[in-house]
Amino acid sequence: EAGVAQSPRYKIIEKRQSVAFWCNPISGHATLYWYQQILGQGPKLLIQFQNNGVVDDSQLPKDRFSAERLKGVDSTLKIQPAKLEDSAVYLCASSSFAGGATYEQYFGPGTRLTVT
Amino acid sequence: AQSVTQLDSHVSVSEGTPVLLRCNYSSSYSPSLFWYVQHPNKGLQLLLKYTSAATLVKGINGFEAEFKKSETSFHLTKPSAHMSDAAEYFCVVSEPVNNNAGNMLTFGGGTRLMVKP
Repeated sequence: EAGVAQSPRYKIIEKRQSVAFWCNPISGHATLYWYQQILGQGPKLLIQFQNNGVVDDSQLPKDRFSAERLKGVDSTLKIQPAKLEDSAVYLCASSSFAGGATYEQYFGPGTRLTVT
Repeated sequence: AQSVTQLDSHVSVSEGTPVLLRCNYSSSYSPSLFWYVQHPNKGLQLLLKYTSAATLVKGINGFEAEFKKSETSFHLTKPSAHMSDAAEYFCVVSEPVNNNAGNMLTFGGGTRLMVKP
C-alpha cells in the first residue's frame, strides 16, 4: 500500500512570510496527526484529526498555526506569519483506528522548513 | 501526564557487538510503548510495540525490548549491531485522549546510534 505522502519536502522562507504543508494519509486511515520535530529533539504533536474533526489541538500555537482536513482525507498545515523558531521538520502521520492507545501511526517523510 | 526519558543521547558500538538503548517512562495509565527508528532523510519506522501482552517484545531487524513495570523501563536491545543500524532511535509512550477518541504519542529526545566498522 502507498505510504503517507507529504509536500513539499523542503521549504525556505523569510520570517513573517506564510507557508503551507500538505499531507495525504494512507487510504482508509481515519486519524491524521501533524508533528513538529526541531533539530535534535523528538517529534511533538501539534494536532490530531479524526476524519474531519479535531481530536486534540492543545499544543498547536493557534496565534500563527492552523490546520484543516475538510473532507476527512488530506490535510494542510499553515503557518502565518512564520518565526525563526518555526524552523523544523513537520511530520504527518496516519492511523487506521480512531481511538485506543495501541494502534501504530505511519509517518510520512516530512517537510523540512527553514525560516531565515 | 506522560513523559519519556532516553538516558543516552549518543551510543557508539562496534559492528557485531551488542546494542543497548535505554528508555524510562512515566504514565498515568497502563501505557502502550513503542520504539521507532529514523534514518537520515527518511520517515519514522516502527521497530516494535508493547501493548500489555508479553513483556518481552520482538521487533524487526533483530531488535527486541523488555517492558519492566517495576522499573518503568523499556530498553531496546540487539545482540549484534550491523552498520545499517546506524540511525536515530525514539522511545514513545502512547495514551488515549478525549475519552478514547484518539491517542497521544509522547516521544523521547532520541538516541543516535553510531556503529563503527
